[in-house]
Amino acid sequence: QKEVEQNSGPLSVPEGAIASLNCTYSDRGSQSFFWYRQYSGKSPELIMFIYSNGDKEDGRFTAQLNKASQYVSLLIRDSQPSDSATYLCAVVYNNAGNMLTFGGGTRLMVKP
Amino acid sequence: GAGVSQSPSNKVTEKGKDVELRCDPISGHTALYWYRQSLGQGLEFLIYFQGNSAPDKSGLPSDRFSAERTGGSVSTLTIQRTQQEDSAVYLCASSSLGSGANVLTFGAGSRLTVL
Repeated sequence: QKEVEQNSGPLSVPEGAIASLNCTYSDRGSQSFFWYRQYSGKSPELIMFIYSNGDKEDGRFTAQLNKASQYVSLLIRDSQPSDSATYLCAVVYNNAGNMLTFGGGTRLMVKP
Repeated sequence: GAGVSQSPSNKVTEKGKDVELRCDPISGHTALYWYRQSLGQGLEFLIYFQGNSAPDKSGLPSDRFSAERTGGSVSTLTIQRTQQEDSAVYLCASSSLGSGANVLTFGAGSRLTVL
């Protein structure tokens, strides 16, 4: 069973703080990793993807990948109330073509 | 089209009835996915189409579920003899090949309620 695990939360952080969202996956051969944001009642939208070990930064967002430990993280700097949403981690497993397996998501609440 | 279009946006049906959900992907996107999301849950993979290849049906929960994609574009997800546990939001997504592969664009979803 190929799994993507996330803490469901809610993760509550004060405005301006760093929010750290974590995700672990079961297939060591996985190559592609994605973070999607989903506002309540809306569809998921892509925030960023990462393929290589290390950090990838895009504005206030940083994705961190550690293939040896099989985890991927998303850091949100200077968190804003508008960042309050559910964050979904997705993984393309080895030999799965282009099919994404999603985690259950972590609900983030940024309090003013 | 500019985005992934799904219809109907809302469907209420009685247990035992058949339903059809439609997805019109972004023009030129060769990959099309169906996911299901129950209230407060993550996305459950249902089926994946890639070009002219045989679809990956490994996520379909039972033989009451089927999907087709005509002409490599529009897809229809059919649920026969609906059950209450089928109630969920059914999300369609599409992606292109090459560097855009795996970058899914989702439609607004079809919310199915089975009474």
